[in-house]
Amino acid sequence: AQSVTQLDSQVPVFEEAPVELRCNYSSSVSVYLFWYVQYPNQGLQLLLKYLSGSTLVKGINGFEAEFNKSQTSFHLRKPSVHISDTAEYFCAVSSGGYNKLIFGAGTRLAVHP
Amino acid sequence: NAGVTQTPKFQVLKTGQSMTLQCAQDMNHEYMSWYRQDPGMGLRLIHYSVGAGITDQGEVPNGYNVSRSTTEDFPLRLLSAAPSQTSVYFCASSSGGMNTEAFFGQGTRLTVV
Repeated sequence: AQSVTQLDSQVPVFEEAPVELRCNYSSSVSVYLFWYVQYPNQGLQLLLKYLSGSTLVKGINGFEAEFNKSQTSFHLRKPSVHISDTAEYFCAVSSGGYNKLIFGAGTRLAVHP
Repeated sequence: NAGVTQTPKFQVLKTGQSMTLQCAQDMNHEYMSWYRQDPGMGLRLIHYSVGAGITDQGEVPNGYNVSRSTTEDFPLRLLSAAPSQTSVYFCASSSGGMNTEAFFGQGTRLTVV
């Protein structure tokens, strides 16, 4: 069965610093990988997705992620964070046909001034 | 530009009561799903539907029923609420393929006392 592990439950960082949120997945088949963001008291919205092709994926709000098949990782990065990036971030893999998403436990990013 | 609409936003139930969480989408998506979000566990799939009249169980279906009589609506029913069902519930829709973006509602925060 597929699974997703987010290695950090919380990541505190100062404004304008770089950040990396780590995600590992397990799958024996081709995967589609996603990062979603949840701002306080809101639903989830898509940041970016990896389908195939280039291993570096660019998303909204300056975020990017790198797919690494050998390490089964899909880490999310941003070179300079803003206070407005404070949110919870979820890594997910699409499973079993249709869009059945398996989510990691989430990483809470707290950006401090 | 409604997208996915969930009602109610908040609900308090007594143990044993029943209720229906409503979900409607206006994007003509075939695929709809219900997730519950619990601290430290990410989102877990409860039930999903791949079209009107077709539903199936996800990872945590016990205690919940669904039906899909129209493309637009996908209600989630709790027949006899239990404290373990205290959670935040999200409805999502997508055009169906494994590589497609899921659009989420704003969530329903349910407390069972």
